[in-house]
Amino acid sequence: EPEVTQTPSHQVTQMGQEVILRCVPISNHLYFYWYRQILGQKVEFLVSFYNNEISEKSEIFDDQFSVERPDGSNFTLKIRSTKLEDSAMYFCASTEYTEAFFGQGTRLTVV
Amino acid sequence: DQQVKQNSPSLSVQEGRISILNCDYTNSMFDYFLWYKKYPAEGPTFLISISSIKDKNEDGRFTVFLNKSAKHLSLHIVPSQPGDSAVYFCAGLMRGNEKLTFGTGTRLTIIP
Repeated sequence: EPEVTQTPSHQVTQMGQEVILRCVPISNHLYFYWYRQILGQKVEFLVSFYNNEISEKSEIFDDQFSVERPDGSNFTLKIRSTKLEDSAMYFCASTEYTEAFFGQGTRLTVV
Repeated sequence: DQQVKQNSPSLSVQEGRISILNCDYTNSMFDYFLWYKKYPAEGPTFLISISSIKDKNEDGRFTVFLNKSAKHLSLHIVPSQPGDSAVYFCAGLMRGNEKLTFGTGTRLTIIP
């Protein structure tokens, strides 16, 4: 069964460093997303991506964040200068129509 | 602004009984509502959805009911099984921006 895959599963980084979280969405899906979940809180929308451009972003997704689909299969989230409060589980998702399928997540720990 | 609310943070149900998870929303523009199940350290797994023009959708042990006038939906799981123990999120989806707006989740524990 097709699935969304994310790497790495866990990333530890120093505050101020850049991180890139990687995702391979399901191949025939058209919409791609990043969500995050801070420990104990709800899953929050960060950004949606369609037709090679951002279609919507939340207020969390500030200038420190960027997304790319560099080669037609990978979908990446870059955080330029990480802050302590960026520590969270980051989930990639993709959808063909209605139901979004999520990856297993990357746990980002900023120290 | 909490557009989707799950007011019960936790629920315990005996195995074999019915589990009822509730969700309220404020945004009338949602076109679909979806339920996701989440285990610790895993991504949300899609369970079932309902279009805003329907009032019921059933899939095996899972049934979702939508009451548009009350802006309320519920997920019924019957019979409940130990493997159903997880956190359940409801989410609203608007066609056009295609993003999911999640509730805060309800932790369901099935007691053997």
